[in-house]
Amino acid sequence: SAVISQKPSRDICQRGTSLTIQCQVDSQVTMMFWYRQQPGQSLTLIATANQGSEATYESGFVIDKFPISRPNLTFSTLTVSNMSPEDSSIYLCSVGGPNTEAFFGQGTRLTVV
Amino acid sequence: AQSVTQLDSQVPVFEEAPVELRCNYSSSVSVYLFWYVQYPNQGLQLLLKYLSGSTLVKGINGFEAEFNKSQTSFHLRKPSVHISDTAEYFCAVSEGFMGNDMRFGAGTRLTVKP
Repeated sequence: SAVISQKPSRDICQRGTSLTIQCQVDSQVTMMFWYRQQPGQSLTLIATANQGSEATYESGFVIDKFPISRPNLTFSTLTVSNMSPEDSSIYLCSVGGPNTEAFFGQGTRLTVV
Repeated sequence: AQSVTQLDSQVPVFEEAPVELRCNYSSSVSVYLFWYVQYPNQGLQLLLKYLSGSTLVKGINGFEAEFNKSQTSFHLRKPSVHISDTAEYFCAVSEGFMGNDMRFGAGTRLTVKP
């Protein structure tokens, strides 16, 4: 199984600012995924990040709001831009496993005030 | 596209009682099915998965699930729960390609009471 480290684990941010979340994997992976989990809700896929190409965003998510970088096969970042209280969520990084399962980081708990 | 319905948002049980968390899915093709657990302030941990073969799947922490194709269900069971099983449980379905099409249910909050 893959070991995924996310930073920061939590943060409290002022509205209008941006936060960059880092995701480091202990092995090389083709695809990395970013999810949002709003309070009391399930997980929603934000985008799929492939190394060497632009991320693919799901309906309702745009690059200007959630820019993603994928500089190599073990690392990705997600930025939450121009934050508002509605962006308060847990953001989770995930990678696909060899048998289709997904492995998750511990998540970043973001509160926007 | 595939979708998942978890029929119970909250399930309270007493310690050492059996529990079943229900999950139904819809898909037009063959699917892979998963149960994940999320303990407070933590990420998701895979409990078990069904890819093919035996419809009864055993996972970690004494959990098991049964794939029922005719009823499109994948219910999670444990014969005797512990206080430490208190967590959020998510059922997920994938149509197979490396996790980028995984869809999650709304979650079931299992609360085990002494």
